[in-house]
Amino acid sequence: KQEVTQIPAALSVPEGENLVLNCSFTDSAIYNLQWFRQDPGKGLTSLLLIQSSQREQTSGRLNASLDKSSGRSTLYIAASQPGDSATYLCAVKKNYGGSQGNLIFGKGTKLSVKP
Amino acid sequence: ETGVTQSPTHLIKTRGQQVTLRCSSQSGHNTVSWYQQALGQGPQFIFQYYREEENGRGNFPPRFSGLQFPNYSSELNVNALELDDSALYLCASSPTGTFNYGYTFGSGTRLTVV
Repeated sequence: KQEVTQIPAALSVPEGENLVLNCSFTDSAIYNLQWFRQDPGKGLTSLLLIQSSQREQTSGRLNASLDKSSGRSTLYIAASQPGDSATYLCAVKKNYGGSQGNLIFGKGTKLSVKP
Repeated sequence: ETGVTQSPTHLIKTRGQQVTLRCSSQSGHNTVSWYQQALGQGPQFIFQYYREEENGRGNFPPRFSGLQFPNYSSELNVNALELDDSALYLCASSPTGTFNYGYTFGSGTRLTVV
């Protein structure tokens, strides 16, 4: 059974710091891995999608890496800003239950960036 | 290009009642999935619809059911509501034909069962 773990559960940093969020998964047979941002009480905003054959993806100040063999992904946020405060979720796509691939999520890392 | 839209945004129901949540998929997306997110938890896969048929199901009882319509929009129905059904319900759509696509999520429906 695929399990996704995110560490730390919460993180508080001063504005301007570079930071790394971690995600680990137990089954390396995934199709892809997706990082999402969730603001309180809101839906999910996709940040980065990494295919299983890729090592990393970049978008602006965000960089996500994937090491499928070790079951790990990291999300690197450069020069953090108060507007980055949110919960960050990682999810792996796996074919369970006969679907065309469904997402298995971690519980998220709640990030707070202090001005 | 419109994204995924869900309605209603908030809903309060009494235990034992039935509820229907609605989702319009992103333009060009023909696969719709539903997820339940309890407070402080990651979303849990409920089921997926493709070509108007259920195409995969997570660990949810049969009182959770759904529909997909020819325009790819979808409904989630929950019968005999329980207090533990209180959660944020998220709809996600994706194109099909390959497993490599990511998902686009809606803003969710907050369901409170009292």
